[in-house]
Amino acid sequence: EVQLLESGGGLVQPGGSLRLSCAASGFTFSNYAMSWVRQAPGKGLEWVSGISGRGDSTYYADSVKGRFTISRDNSKNTLYLQMNSLRVEDTAVYYCAEGYYSYMDVSDKGTTVTVSS
Amino acid sequence: QTVVTQEPSFSVSPGGTVTLTCGLSSGSVSASYYPSWYQQTPGQAPRTLIYSTNTRSSGVPDRFSGSILGSKAALTITGAQADDESDYYCVMFMDSAVVFGGGTKLTVL
Repeated sequence: EVQLLESGGGLVQPGGSLRLSCAASGFTFSNYAMSWVRQAPGKGLEWVSGISGRGDSTYYADSVKGRFTISRDNSKNTLYLQMNSLRVEDTAVYYCAEGYYSYMDVSDKGTTVTVSS
Repeated sequence: QTVVTQEPSFSVSPGGTVTLTCGLSSGSVSASYYPSWYQQTPGQAPRTLIYSTNTRSSGVPDRFSGSILGSKAALTITGAQADDESDYYCVMFMDSAVVFGGGTKLTVL
C-alpha cells in the first residue's frame, strides 16, 4: 500500500523559507515521478512542482518558479520542497503525490504552511 | 496561459446521470493532455477517479467514466448516490506543467 507522509509545515513570515519533506513507502520510490500539490484555504487545488524518478528533471508552476525547488533522495525514499521568498498567497495545505502528469495519487495527510506576519 | 475551465456547479437527482465537462480557454482537449479527474469532499484530501482520459483508478466504481466529448474532457457519473456530492477537479498536462481546473461542486438532491 502506498503511504506518503508530509512534514515540515508551519508558520513563517513573508520572505521566509521552509522545507517540506514527504516520506514514501509501499512502492519502489525511485521508479516513480513525484509531485507537490497545494490547496489554499477555501480554494481549489493547484499543482506546484514535479520531479522525475531519477531526479534529473524538474518542473514548476509559474506561480512558484524561481522561488521553490523540488528534490528527492531515493536512498531515503523522501521527496522535498524547498520554499524560499514565501508570500502570503503561498499559505495552503501542501500534499505530495506519487506521479506527475499521466497519473497522480495524492497523499491523504498534507502539511499546512501559513505565511503571515 | 491556457486556462482549464469547468462548470462551477451542477446538480443531479439520486439515481440520475450527470456529465461534468472540462475544457480549455484556447483549443480542444485531446488525449495528449492526459485529462484526469479528482474527487474531493470537504476536509478530505483529493482522490483520483480517472486518469489518462478514461482509466479508472483502483477501487473506483464503474459508475464513474471518463471520455472526450467534442472539444472537452468529460466525467460521467451514472446512478448518482448521495455520497457522490463532492467537488470534482479536472487536470490537464500542458507545456510540462500540470494544470487543475477550478472545480465543479456537485450537489445530489
